[in-house]
Amino acid sequence: EVQLVESGGGLVQPGGSLRLSCAASGFTFSSYDMHWVRQATGKGLEWVSAIGVGGDTYYIGSVKGRFTISRENAKNSLYLQMNSLKAGDTAIYYCARWSSSRWYDYWGQGTLVTVSS
Amino acid sequence: DTFLTQSPATLSLSPGERATLSCRASQSVSSSLAWYRQKPGQAPRLLIYDASNRATGIPARFSGSGSGTDFTLTISSLEPEDFAVYYCQQRSNWPETFGQGTKLEIK
Repeated sequence: EVQLVESGGGLVQPGGSLRLSCAASGFTFSSYDMHWVRQATGKGLEWVSAIGVGGDTYYIGSVKGRFTISRENAKNSLYLQMNSLKAGDTAIYYCARWSSSRWYDYWGQGTLVTVSS
Repeated sequence: DTFLTQSPATLSLSPGERATLSCRASQSVSSSLAWYRQKPGQAPRLLIYDASNRATGIPARFSGSGSGTDFTLTISSLEPEDFAVYYCQQRSNWPETFGQGTKLEIK
């Protein structure tokens, strides 16, 4: 059974940092592109970042230079290092698997990041 | 960016009725559009991909159509678990984007 379990969210002050993790199981993690998608409370979905099987990385403009996505295939883990956090980054962050048909076929349960003083 | 506009924002129907949800793109996305259902407190779930293909395990009451800029998700006969928020997503133009959602509520 495919499972994605996020962790690392919490309350952080503006300008602070957090590192999110996503533990994957039930599939060959190294064979899939992985993404982070966020959702502000009561709002819609917003793609944040992606990492390919070869380690190529992509970011939405509003987080470029502040967030870093990475993966550790030996540990079946995906990460999102978030620096210089802003109030607008407050959201539930989901990790999601990019399927072979190039859609999100599995999602984690999400981890809440709150940026507030 | 490619903007996706979903309508209506809220749709009030009764179980057993037919639901028709719309998604309009600001530029052509060909057939590179998907639909997701999100129940309260849960992550989204893929329903339809490539505009008209049902994802694994999705019942036949869900169908998708359209291409270019206009897309439709149809639920032929609503079940209680279908009352949720639905999002469309495009991946034709970078960055991939989502619509703002349609809330399907019980009338």
